[in-house]
Amino acid sequence: GAGVSQSPSNKVTEKGKDVELRCDPISGHTALYWYRQSLGQGLEFLIYFQGNSAPDKSGLPSDRFSAERTGGSVSTLTIQRTQQEDSAVYLCASSLVAGGASQPQHFGDGTRLSIL
Amino acid sequence: SQQGEEDPQALSIQEGENATMNCSYKTSINNLQWYRQNSGRGLVHLILIRSNEREKHSGRLRVTLDTSKKSSSLLITASRAADTASYFCATDENTDKLIFGTGTRLQVFP
Repeated sequence: GAGVSQSPSNKVTEKGKDVELRCDPISGHTALYWYRQSLGQGLEFLIYFQGNSAPDKSGLPSDRFSAERTGGSVSTLTIQRTQQEDSAVYLCASSLVAGGASQPQHFGDGTRLSIL
Repeated sequence: SQQGEEDPQALSIQEGENATMNCSYKTSINNLQWYRQNSGRGLVHLILIRSNEREKHSGRLRVTLDTSKKSSSLLITASRAADTASYFCATDENTDKLIFGTGTRLQVFP
């Protein structure tokens, strides 16, 4: 079946512009996660959604970052007034339910964001 | 914050050799997972081990967990060039989130 889909796969934009990154999770998965991965580094948790519960935003690095999940499916991560340090790969993952390390997460191939 | 720390950071071996990667973590956990990431791709789940398990196998993969030492190891036996990737451990710190380590970059030469 279809996996997690992210778009665009690459995004180059100028400093100060806003960007929107999209994630289509696996159908039926109620939990959706966003991570950031800088070059050669591990994954940094940003935010996760579980069903209709309030999202856990504890990993968002600043108020320039926001995310929403419409209809319990597609999610959009928005970065306002982008800075060069925002350059990274943004990965989305989904799982059947939220459950820490008790649930395997299924990842998209990410959006590579470059801020000029 | 980074919960898991993998060791070594990089590992180069010949095809057919075994590869061992280690992961240490700081707090108590419910479960621990290992993932693989090929260059330019997302992460792929490999194996999950629960805190009350000591060892788990999946094909050529063997994972051990020592909760007293807060450490886990991933062994890949009879490695292949296709195993070349970065490998990450991930724990949950008893939350609903996964906390990933910094990863081990494995290079398998044919």
